[in-house]
Amino acid sequence: NAGVTQTPKFRVLKTGQSMTLLCAQDMNHEYMYWYRQDPGMGLRLIHYSVGEGTTAKGEVPDGYNVSRLKKQNFLLGLESAAPSQTSVYFCASSLRAHRLQYFGPGTRLTVT
Amino acid sequence: AQKVTQAQTEISVVEKEDVTLDCVYETRDTTYYLFWYKQPPSGELVFLIRRNSFDEQNEISGRYSWNFQKSTSSFNFTITASQVVDSAVYFCALSEAGGTSYGKLTFGQGTILTVHP
Repeated sequence: NAGVTQTPKFRVLKTGQSMTLLCAQDMNHEYMYWYRQDPGMGLRLIHYSVGEGTTAKGEVPDGYNVSRLKKQNFLLGLESAAPSQTSVYFCASSLRAHRLQYFGPGTRLTVT
Repeated sequence: AQKVTQAQTEISVVEKEDVTLDCVYETRDTTYYLFWYKQPPSGELVFLIRRNSFDEQNEISGRYSWNFQKSTSSFNFTITASQVVDSAVYFCALSEAGGTSYGKLTFGQGTILTVHP
């Protein structure tokens, strides 16, 4: 039982490049979330999903897109990376709303 | 809108001292959930506690205790007899129970705790 995994763990991008972050969970959770963590600002919600095939915007969605084609996977895409997207990205999942969210180990992204 | 404030950016203590981390929240919902997470230097987020708004009982778990006071909208966290391994960033978070909340967490800014030997 791996819990929540994130791929990759580290990545360096140049401005304008694109990439996809993969989050996978093996707990059959309905809800999945993407957060970003920046110094002094805690974690902020980017996008979330309440089930397979659904996605919704969080607090800071600009510059990101997401997809939830399979229940166990939640993808976060950056179409044209900007230095402001340098951050640590955390994925989380929960069985349903207001249940404990299980977090992945994080992806450290640097955009130069 | 929901908001969580952790006014203490950094706290430094010497081992065996007691330390309290403050958390103040704002919400219009009458039903909500409060959480504390720990982020050690390795970077992962470790769940510590979840408390719903109807349960104002204080919680104690070993050296950790939590004081939830609805009257002051506070959910403070105390570590008794701190240890070097307690050094981490601690986050307080809030989730409203309203229909459109979907369990979204709003985090405070985090408090960096350093425990010196």
